[in-house]
Amino acid sequence: DAKTTQPTSMDCAEGRAANLPCNHSTISGNEYVYWYRQIHSQGPQYIIHGLKNNETNEMASLIITEDRKSSTLILPHATLRDTAVYYCIVLIYNQGGKLIFGQGTELSVKP
Amino acid sequence: DTGVSQNPRHKITKRGQNVTFRCDPISEHNRLYWYRQTLGQGPEFLTYFQNEAQLEKSRLLSDRFSAERPKGSFSTLEIQRTEQGDSAMYLCASSLSLDRGVFGANVLTFGAGSRLTVL
Repeated sequence: DAKTTQPTSMDCAEGRAANLPCNHSTISGNEYVYWYRQIHSQGPQYIIHGLKNNETNEMASLIITEDRKSSTLILPHATLRDTAVYYCIVLIYNQGGKLIFGQGTELSVKP
Repeated sequence: DTGVSQNPRHKITKRGQNVTFRCDPISEHNRLYWYRQTLGQGPEFLTYFQNEAQLEKSRLLSDRFSAERPKGSFSTLEIQRTEQGDSAMYLCASSLSLDRGVFGANVLTFGAGSRLTVL
């Protein structure tokens, strides 16, 4: 299984960009990288996913390195409501599409 | 589209009792997943369905746990003879998948969860 490694926690100042790193050195060529977040006592919320190219949507940007062994989620202007646990997940090819969550990064956005 | 709905949101029960949780997925979604989450941990995969067929069960799903999706729409997760270790948040998610087992992208939409406390 492709596993991911994330820092346990990070702080970010409100209004600044939050850059959340993730290592996935054993990823296979056809496996997607997904990012979800979970605000306290809520279900996980989908943010973005990508395969090889960088991706951007209304919530965030995803930068994947050329060798695909790591990625960075960027929240361009973090707000207090972005305080959450952020999960980087590699979708296992040919295993039912289930997401295997790790411990995630606890992001605290501070005023 | 009202998202993924889970009921009840909270359940307190005594050890040894049976409990059942219900999940109503997004209507056009053919895949449905159950996860369990304990305090401070990420969600753990339990099982998933494609339409009414249960395609995979985790080793976490002991024989006291049973999940059904009888008509390929809503699903139930029943826990028999609950134990204190069953106390957790039970999360349901759904997705639309066109492939049976071989995947590219598969975006799961989660419900708010059902919190179980076993006394």
